[in-house]
Amino acid sequence: DAMVIQNPRYQVTQFGKPVTLSCSQTLNHNVMYWYQQKSSQAPKLLFHYYDKDFNNEADTPDNFQSRRPNTSFCFLDIRSPGLGDAAMYLCATSRQGLGDQPQHFGDGTRLSIL
Amino acid sequence: GESVGLHLPTLSVQEGDNSIINCAYSNSASDYFIWYKQESGKGPQFIIDIRSNMDKRQGQRVTVLLNKTVKHLSLQIAATQPGDSAVYFCATGGSQGNLIFGKGTKLSVKP
Repeated sequence: DAMVIQNPRYQVTQFGKPVTLSCSQTLNHNVMYWYQQKSSQAPKLLFHYYDKDFNNEADTPDNFQSRRPNTSFCFLDIRSPGLGDAAMYLCATSRQGLGDQPQHFGDGTRLSIL
Repeated sequence: GESVGLHLPTLSVQEGDNSIINCAYSNSASDYFIWYKQESGKGPQFIIDIRSNMDKRQGQRVTVLLNKTVKHLSLQIAATQPGDSAVYFCATGGSQGNLIFGKGTKLSVKP
């Protein structure tokens, strides 16, 4: 009964080689989020989609992009991964609104950079 | 800027004892608070939430207490079990409509 599904669970890419991470949801939620989480740290919001409206956090590097082709799917594209981008990437959803209701997280994709 | 902080990065308790994890927040306008549990290799899992019109809310073996006067939030886990071992994050709604996460407390349960 997984509701927020991230693929793959583990991704290895080479320095500078573009990579795409995927997220799908069965909750029919309006809002989808991407977070970066490094070891022993809290999740850090990169950006979110409220329906089709894209909202980027001010300190998210330009190297990170996102696409949401429909309600169920959202992608995180890293155009030229650097060693500092190795992290767990978490996708989350919420019904609507921001910061006033639970976000439901997937189990993440752990990205390694060679 | 707004911040959410946890008092202790690690907490070790004996199986069967009660656990208390504390959190402080800076934004007095925050009106939504949430606790997540994150096990190794998994995403954060919702435990319980509370709105500012309440000061206590109970779930199954968990209780969240909110003290708006001192801007303090706590999570109490009754009869802590080995399966409760995880990192616990508090989060609150920020002024930009986002969720602001605290740094996390790692709970270890000793058999």
